[in-house]
Amino acid sequence: DAEITQSPRHKITETGRQVTLACHQTWNHNNMFWYRQDLGHGLRLIHYSYGVQDTNKGEVSDGYSVSRSNTEDLPLTLESAASSQTSVYFCASSKGTGVDTQYFGPGTRLTVL
Amino acid sequence: AQSVAQPEDQVNVAEGNPLTVKCTYSVSGNPYLFWYVQYPNRGLQFLLKYITGDNLVKGSYGFEAEFNKSQTSFHLKKPSALVSDSALYFCAVRDWGAGNNRKLIWGLGTSLAVNP
Repeated sequence: DAEITQSPRHKITETGRQVTLACHQTWNHNNMFWYRQDLGHGLRLIHYSYGVQDTNKGEVSDGYSVSRSNTEDLPLTLESAASSQTSVYFCASSKGTGVDTQYFGPGTRLTVL
Repeated sequence: AQSVAQPEDQVNVAEGNPLTVKCTYSVSGNPYLFWYVQYPNRGLQFLLKYITGDNLVKGSYGFEAEFNKSQTSFHLKKPSALVSDSALYFCAVRDWGAGNNRKLIWGLGTSLAVNP
């Protein structure tokens, strides 16, 4: 079955280190999204992509970057991890150009010490 | 500005009773609305969506939602709650901002607790 996976599921890192979170989907969806979820803030969009070589900033993009070299993957990189980036990160994907449902991965819990 | 509001942080209901989780919205275009559920330590799961047509939308796990254009609401309902329905529920609406038509605007979530 098609799915969306994230790895690692849990990560502990230190302030200042570079961290990359992986997201892989097998639905052949055009659109991919990265969110962070924090108590009291709901879901906040970090970056998103509408296709290969397309990336866009979301509402909380500072300190994060993404690249889309193929349809299946959208890795999220924290250039220099900060304690404020301790959060749960979700990747999602949707099919096309219309109002398509977003499907979510299981999440990565990141702790920055 | 476009927005989604879930006015209740938490809803408590007894098992077997009907439940309602509220959502109101403000958008500049047609309201395309979604409900998702998040169980503990899991990703969000799609429940249902309203695009057009019948104002009562049926979804997964016995949930339904009623679209009310005049009240700009899209409340999630279930006739008889189960303890297993206890979870975090998110309402979302299509973002009509320029170049944003594949993005969603999210509510902050409502925690539903169903008591045995």
